[in-house]
Amino acid sequence: EVQLVESGGGLVQPGGSLRLSCAASGFTFSSYSMNWVRQAPGKGLEWVSYISSSSSTIYYADSVKGRFTISRDNAKNSLYLQMNSLRAEDTAVYYCARDFVPASEWLGYDYWGQGTLVTVSS
Amino acid sequence: SSELTQDPAVSVALGQTVRITCQGDSLRSYYASWYQQKPGQAPVLVIYGKNNRPSGIPDRFSGSSSGNTASLTITGAQAEDEADYYCNSRDSSGNHHVVFGGGTKLTVL
Repeated sequence: EVQLVESGGGLVQPGGSLRLSCAASGFTFSSYSMNWVRQAPGKGLEWVSYISSSSSTIYYADSVKGRFTISRDNAKNSLYLQMNSLRAEDTAVYYCARDFVPASEWLGYDYWGQGTLVTVSS
Repeated sequence: SSELTQDPAVSVALGQTVRITCQGDSLRSYYASWYQQKPGQAPVLVIYGKNNRPSGIPDRFSGSSSGNTASLTITGAQAEDEADYYCNSRDSSGNHHVVFGGGTKLTVL
């Protein structure tokens, strides 16, 4: 069974840092590209960042570029999001999500974690 | 970057058919995927590609697309279908980003 379990969320002051983790199991983690997607309280979904299976390709949403860093450790089946210079508008539930790419065509995210809440407030 | 537009709220009588739409320029180039999200839960993929359902998704869910509009249709809506529904696709700006629609809250009456 595919499982994605996020951790590392919490309360942080504006300007502070936080590192999120996503532990993957039930599939060959090193074969899949992964993403972070966030959802502010009462709001919609927002794609945050993408990392390819080998970490060779990385993308960020404009809203987090220069402040957030995505990484992965395939030996540990883990995905990370280092968040620096946090702002109130970064307050959200952060989900890790697996890329769904059957036949080499991206078709969405087929598995999601349960999310971890990040609250940026003084 | 591209945008995807959804109606904020839609309602349907129990057992009737409802269509939820998603509009955006990126849909002329890429398929939309559809997600169902119930309160306090993670999104679940319900439709992907031209009109495909992941294992475990009831066949009352279907998808279609024409021009810049993708649609999710629920034929014979059930009480458990009450949820928020989101579409997403690749961004057509060529930056490999992903865009989500703003979501549609479906109420089953």
